[in-house]
Amino acid sequence: DTAVSQTPKYLVTQMGNDKSIKCEQNLGHDTMYWYKQDSKKFLKIMFSYNNKELIINETVPNRFSPKSPDKAHLNLHINSLELGDSAVYFCASSPDQGSGYGNQPQHFGDGTRLSIL
Amino acid sequence: KQEVTQIPAALSVPEGENLVLNCSFTDSAIYNLQWFRQDPGKGLTSLLLIQSSQREQTSGRLNASLDKSSGRSTLYIAASQPGDSATYLCAVNQFYFGTGTSLTVIP
Repeated sequence: DTAVSQTPKYLVTQMGNDKSIKCEQNLGHDTMYWYKQDSKKFLKIMFSYNNKELIINETVPNRFSPKSPDKAHLNLHINSLELGDSAVYFCASSPDQGSGYGNQPQHFGDGTRLSIL
Repeated sequence: KQEVTQIPAALSVPEGENLVLNCSFTDSAIYNLQWFRQDPGKGLTSLLLIQSSQREQTSGRLNASLDKSSGRSTLYIAASQPGDSATYLCAVNQFYFGTGTSLTVIP
């Protein structure tokens, strides 16, 4: 029973391509997140969605567009991929409102390792 | 803007030792602080979450403390085991992560 699942696990593609990463949670949580972890293991929030509405957008380039068809899914679409986009992208969910004030732990997926050639 | 620092970046200890991991943050106006572990190739697993009104939380061999006035949190691991080897990250207000401490427990 995977709580937060991401696909694909690995993604290797050429610079300039468009790609999507999918995330699904079966925990019944209201809020989902995307994080980027760089080569130095630094984890940075990108987006949070609460009940399909965008709550946080942390200075992410417009090439990144999250889409939430329902509260159990939050997909990440990336246009015109650049070398600097190479990283591990993590999806997470939590039962609170996703504003940073909550008292509930986040649950993370296993990550998608994106490599740009 | 909140900045979170974890020192040391890496730590090796023999099995059975008690150890302390440190997390420092610059803005004391925090709502919560959370400790995670990350195993290689895996996501983060939540260990302990401390609300701003609390001073510590305990789970098994783990104890996390919070001192808002000094901008510090510590994670105490008692009687370390090889299975504790992982990277430990702290996060302030759910989103602001430190760079982690890579822990190796030597059998």
